[in-house]
Amino acid sequence: ELKVEQNPLFLSMQEGKNYTIYCNYSTTSDRLYWYRQDPGKSLESLFVLLSNGAVKQEGRLMASLDTKARLSTLHITAAVHDLSATYFCAVVLPGGYNKLIFGAGTRLAVHP
Amino acid sequence: DADVTQTPRNRITKTGKRIMLECSQTKGHDRMYWYRQDPGLGLQLIYYSFDVKDINKGEISDGYSVSRQAQAKFSLSLESAIPNQTALYFCATSAGDRAQETQYFGPGTRLLVL
Repeated sequence: ELKVEQNPLFLSMQEGKNYTIYCNYSTTSDRLYWYRQDPGKSLESLFVLLSNGAVKQEGRLMASLDTKARLSTLHITAAVHDLSATYFCAVVLPGGYNKLIFGAGTRLAVHP
Repeated sequence: DADVTQTPRNRITKTGKRIMLECSQTKGHDRMYWYRQDPGLGLQLIYYSFDVKDINKGEISDGYSVSRQAQAKFSLSLESAIPNQTALYFCATSAGDRAQETQYFGPGTRLLVL
């Protein structure tokens, strides 16, 4: 059974600081996604990571994947208030059906 | 206009009632999914469909059924609603492009079962 664990589950950050969210998963997978969810809203796709060593960046967010360690990180650089949201990682279950297993989410609050 | 729409957006119902949540998409995707989200948790897959004739159970299908009426429409039914089905329900679609196959989510339906 594939399990996906995120930590921390809640993160309070000061504006301008850097931090990293971690996503560990329990079995082999060939794809990992990061999504953002604003309160009361739907999920927005941020990144898809396909291979070991993959790194993608968009603005102040950078995601990486280490398939050997079964670990993905989402690094936040110089946080701003607009990044306040809940971030989910989701891992594709092996088998070819594109079934996603989600982590519990990291609720990020950026304050002055 | 939104690519993935869900109706209703909010619904209050009573225990034992049958309700249907509807999802429509204009993205032209073959694959559609239903998830539920409980407060403080990630999403759990209820059902998924890869084309009109293909319906598959997800992690938590008990108490739910689905219908794929057309490529663009995928409905979720609760035959006899119970309070622990109170949750936020999301529909999603994907293109089936093996390389990335990102799932795109609708706005969600907030369901309260009394």
